[in-house]
Amino acid sequence: DAMVIQNPRYQVTQFGKPVTLSCSQTLNHNVMYWYQQKSSQAPKLLFHYYDKDFNNEADTPDNFQSRRPNTSFCFLDIRSPGLGDAAMYLCATSGKGETDTQYFGPGTRLTVL
Amino acid sequence: LAKTTQPISMDSYEGQEVNITCSHNNIATNDYITWYQQFPSQGPRFIIQGYKTKVTNEVASLFIPADRKSSTLSLPRVSLSDTAVYYCLVVIFGAGNNRKLIWGLGTSLAVNP
Repeated sequence: DAMVIQNPRYQVTQFGKPVTLSCSQTLNHNVMYWYQQKSSQAPKLLFHYYDKDFNNEADTPDNFQSRRPNTSFCFLDIRSPGLGDAAMYLCATSGKGETDTQYFGPGTRLTVL
Repeated sequence: LAKTTQPISMDSYEGQEVNITCSHNNIATNDYITWYQQFPSQGPRFIIQGYKTKVTNEVASLFIPADRKSSTLSLPRVSLSDTAVYYCLVVIFGAGNNRKLIWGLGTSLAVNP
């Protein structure tokens, strides 16, 4: 089945220790998104790629970076995690069309100690 | 810029129809409306999408009045498994490949036996 895969599902890191979260997709979608979702809150878009074009949200901290080496993979790098970065990180994909919906992965739960 | 507003929570009983309304007063001509369902510790899942009038699929209906300043997600005959958070999303397409995603804060639906 075509899908969006996130690894790992649970990640524990230490304060200030860089961490990388991974997302892959078998849908061959052009657009990939990274969201941060904290408890009882809506998903907050951090950035998205349209093919190789990177679109950063204005309020995304510099601490968050992303890489998309090819169509299938996208990575979220948190350079110096703080306690406030503990959250669920969701990856999603969509096609090019204006009516294409987003398909979400299961998320990675990040804990910062 | 569009802003989405939806009720924080709703309660219902099995077998009832549930209607959740989202307000998006400043929606523009090309923007469209999507609804997602999210269970705890999972990524959001697409339910339905529309631009105007009425859209129906196997799980829900979406009603959008002519002025498009609101939309109503209708879930027929809910069951306990419909207990989840429901998000309204307005997608705004800007210049080039830029897109802006305006998520509502989510409506927590509790279906009681």
